Amino acid sequence: GQSLEQPSEVTAVEGAIVQINCTYQTSGFYGLSWYQQHDGGAPTFLSYNALDGLEETGRFSSFLSRSDSYGYLLLQELQMKDSASYFCAVNSGGYQKVTFGIGTKLQVIP
Amino acid sequence: DSGVTQTPKHLITATGQRVTLRCSPRSGDLSVYWYQQSLDQGLQFLIQYYNGEERAKGNILERFSAQQFPDLHSELNLSSLELGDSALYFCASSARTSGMEETQYFGPGTRLLVL
Repeated sequence: GQSLEQPSEVTAVEGAIVQINCTYQTSGFYGLSWYQQHDGGAPTFLSYNALDGLEETGRFSSFLSRSDSYGYLLLQELQMKDSASYFCAVNSGGYQKVTFGIGTKLQVIP
Repeated sequence: DSGVTQTPKHLITATGQRVTLRCSPRSGDLSVYWYQQSLDQGLQFLIQYYNGEERAKGNILERFSAQQFPDLHSELNLSSLELGDSALYFCASSARTSGMEETQYFGPGTRLLVL
């Protein structure tokens, strides 16, 4: 089966940089996705890594190391609105089954 | 707005009852996914359909069933409801079913409360 591990909570200061790690175990790995979810809202797609390396999209970057079964989401220049839960998700299997981690609750403080 | 719609937004019912949740995917998307999210929990994958056919099954209880219709909308049926079924139920859609990057677009969710 699939399993993912990520920290349950992270606190960071406005304007700072925070890294949310994700380790996974799966077979038939295709890629690692990241989603953001504000309280009471729906998850929204942030990024996807299929190959090793860093993908940058504005203030957010995502990294993948397939050999280490590890990835992270990097958020720079933190803003109060970045307070949310961040989920890593593994795409795997012939029919692109997506398995989500438990989520990391990020609190940005002034 | 993701383009995925879900109805109803809220649902309150009693134990033992049966409810149906409805999802309309983004225009052109063939895959529909259902997820359950309990309080302070992650997203539990329930089931995936692609163009009307079941493609993957997660931790879906036998009391739950789903289908995808020819017009690609999907319904999730929950029966013999228990208190523990109270949760947010999300539907998501995507264009592809296999291979490369597959972004999922989530609907606003249906909040189910079983009393």
